[in-house]
Order: sequence, then C-alpha cells, then structure tokens
Amino acid sequence: GQQVMQIPQYQHVQEGEDFTTYCNSSTTLSNIQWYKQRPGGHPVFLIQLVKSGEVKKQKRLTFQFGEAKKNSSLHITATQTTDVGTYFCAGYYNQGGKLIFGQGTELSVKP
Amino acid sequence: KAGVTQTPRYLIKTRGQQVTLSCSPISGHRSVSWYQQTPGQGLQFLFEYFSETQRNKGNFPGRFSGRQFSNSRSEMNVSTLELGDSALYLCASSSRLRETQYFGPGTRLLVL
Repeated sequence: GQQVMQIPQYQHVQEGEDFTTYCNSSTTLSNIQWYKQRPGGHPVFLIQLVKSGEVKKQKRLTFQFGEAKKNSSLHITATQTTDVGTYFCAGYYNQGGKLIFGQGTELSVKP
Repeated sequence: KAGVTQTPRYLIKTRGQQVTLSCSPISGHRSVSWYQQTPGQGLQFLFEYFSETQRNKGNFPGRFSGRQFSNSRSEMNVSTLELGDSALYLCASSSRLRETQYFGPGTRLLVL
C-alpha cells in the first residue's frame, strides 16, 4: 500500500546543532506537507512542496522535495529549545485523496 | 477566525460502549478529515468529508463511522469500543480537498 517512511524516529541534539529528518515514498507523491506537533499539542502546518526539486526556506528551516517527487527532507540549522516537538511529513498520491503521514521524528534539544 | 474545535476534549469509556465525537471546522472550510493518533501507529487517516459526502476512507473497521452536516460540522462515531481504540482523535479542516490541514486540539479517548 501507499506508505511514507520517515527517519529517524528520534533525534537528540545539543542546542545549536543542526537537525535533519527524511521522508521517503516508494511511489511518486503529488505533493508533500510538513507539520510540527509540540508535546501535548496538535499538528500545525509548516509548509507544502509541490514541484519536483523544490526548495523552500522558513528562517532556520529548509525544506526540499526530491527530483522524482518520492522523497523530502526538513533541515533545521542551529536548533533552539523552541524547536522541540515531533515533525511529520505527509503526502498526497496522485491516485488517491488520502493524506498519508510519516511516522514522525521526535526532536529533543538539550540546552 | 476561530480555529477548529473538538468536543469533548477528554473521554473515558468502557469496552463495548459507543462514543460520538464532534468537530467544528474553521468558518468557510468545507472539508473535514479525521485521524487517529497512537504512540505505536502514529497518525492514521480515518475518513474525509466534503460537502456532506464521504470522499475518502482509511483502513478502519466498520465500527468507525462519521458524517458531515450542512454547516460542515462533523461527527465521528465508534461503536462497540475496544481497548485498542484508546487514542487521540484529531479532526482537521481545509478549505478544499487536498489542501493544508488545520488541526483541532483533539479528543483523548481512554477505553477501560
């Protein structure tokens, strides 16, 4: 079935270090979205990527969509304690309308 | 604009009972989706409604059902509750199908 694999499951970093999470799909995605969920909270939309090879930046966050539209990454430069949370990628496939979420990467930042 | 609201926020039920959860989308949003979130399975898609019609359904048993009203508010129902139904149930709304999802705070269901 359609699945979005996300790694790593957990990442512990020292404040100021960089962080990257990766998403991979076996089939082409129509688009990919990224969400952040703080502990005890609900997912909050960060960004959507639609075009092959697209790169978008939001301050210290850089999002990439692969050329084949099968993978994506989120990179955070110089993490801060406010970055703590679980980051989810989620994709739509051309064939169906369901938004498929990756398992998420839980980021903890040690001050 | 007010965000997505869900009621109740917390619920404790026993096995075999049924439960109804409610979701009010952002004003003007016509699409409502429901997700189940558990530590082991992550965010699992339940169903999506648009203009009172179910557009997509996830891989959940028939005990899970939902509906959407003409004002876009949505309810989901789980009958014959099982222990494994304990989860955070999230509702999300969007202005159109396949658009950005705006999540509500969720209903935390505990089945004893």
